[in-house]
Formats: sequence, C-alpha cells, structure tokens
Amino acid sequence: GENVEQHPSTLSVQEGDSAVIKCTYSDSASNYFPWYKQELGKGPQLIIDIRSNVGEKKDQRIAVTLNKTAKHFSLHITETQPEDSAVYFCAASIRSGNQFYFGTGTSLTVIP
Amino acid sequence: EPEVTQTPSHQVTQMGQEVILRCVPISNHLYFYWYRQILGQKVEFLVSFYNNEISEKSEIFDDQFSVERPDGSNFTLKIRSTKLEDSAMYFCARGGGGGELFFGEGSRLTVL
Repeated sequence: GENVEQHPSTLSVQEGDSAVIKCTYSDSASNYFPWYKQELGKGPQLIIDIRSNVGEKKDQRIAVTLNKTAKHFSLHITETQPEDSAVYFCAASIRSGNQFYFGTGTSLTVIP
Repeated sequence: EPEVTQTPSHQVTQMGQEVILRCVPISNHLYFYWYRQILGQKVEFLVSFYNNEISEKSEIFDDQFSVERPDGSNFTLKIRSTKLEDSAMYFCARGGGGGELFFGEGSRLTVL
C-alpha cells in the first residue's frame, strides 16, 4: 500500500518567516494530495490540495508544490503568523472514495 | 462550521464494554469515512462507507468494529468489546465531490 513520509516532525519559525513542510509518497498511482491543519482538540481541516495534473497551487499565503517524478510534495507558508501554529498533516489518495494515507504530522510553532 | 456533527465529544468506558459513536452529516452525501488518531500519532483509516455499504476497510477494522446507517441519516461506528488500545480520537468524515475529505470535530474515546 501507499506510504507517506513527512518531515520535519517539529518546526519553529519566527513570525513573518516562511515555513516549509515536505512529504514523500511511494505509490505512483496516487493522484490527490491534500494538506490538513489540526488545532488542539479539533478535527483536521483541509487547507489546500493539489492534483497530479498540476505542479503548483497557491492560495494567499499558502502554496503547495508537487513533483510527480520524485514523488514528493511540499507545503509552503509565507509571512507566518502566530495563528498558523498547529499540527499539519499531508495525505495521499488514489481516487475518490479510496482511503487517504496520512503523514505523521508536523507541529509548527510560530514565535511572535 | 463542521461538515459533520459527531457525538459524543468524549466518552469514557470500561474495557470490554460496547461503544457507539455517531456521525450526523449536515447535508446528504454518499461517501462517509471513519478515521482514528491515537494521541500524538498520525490519522489512520478505518473504513469507508458508500451508498450504505462498506466500500473499503483497513486491517484495524476487525470483527470488533462495525458501521451502519440505521435510519438513512446517522452514521454509526460500533466497537463491540473495547480494549485499552482503542483509546483514541475517532473522526467521521464525508467525501467531497472532487475526492476531498472533510472531517468532523471528533469523538474522544477513553478506555479504562
């Protein structure tokens, strides 16, 4: 089955700096790659996603890149703010209705 | 606003007892999922449910687990005889039209 690896496990940045979280996947059939933000005691919230026919997608301060050849994708947060502090999970899925495979999470702390 | 409503938010039970976790979608959807997250670990797939039938299940979803949609609306996860290792956050999620996954706020299960 699919195996998703995520790095780093923890990340601290100064407010205003950029944060980058990286994930790799093993199954070349995976074609949908979402990113989730999970705040303490809450469910994961979808913040951005990318499909295999796209190399990059941006939504305000958040961007995701995908390299299908290398089987890795990354989350980029620019101009970080304290409210960006949370655990971020990447995931991979083959098709609609199939299970999502999650990374192990990155605990991001933005220091004011 | 959550995509699905989960109850209870927290349940404490004795080992060996049966537990039922409930999920109520905000609107009609065909795909539903249960995931679990043991404290500090990644989100793990349990089962997917499409058109009132199980479409996929993981190795975690053994004979102790069952899902059903008894009244065509509520979606339940039953654990017949809880074990200590069943202690986790259980998330219900609904599938989006583009293959996305939208999580509820979760039900925390503590098995003593």
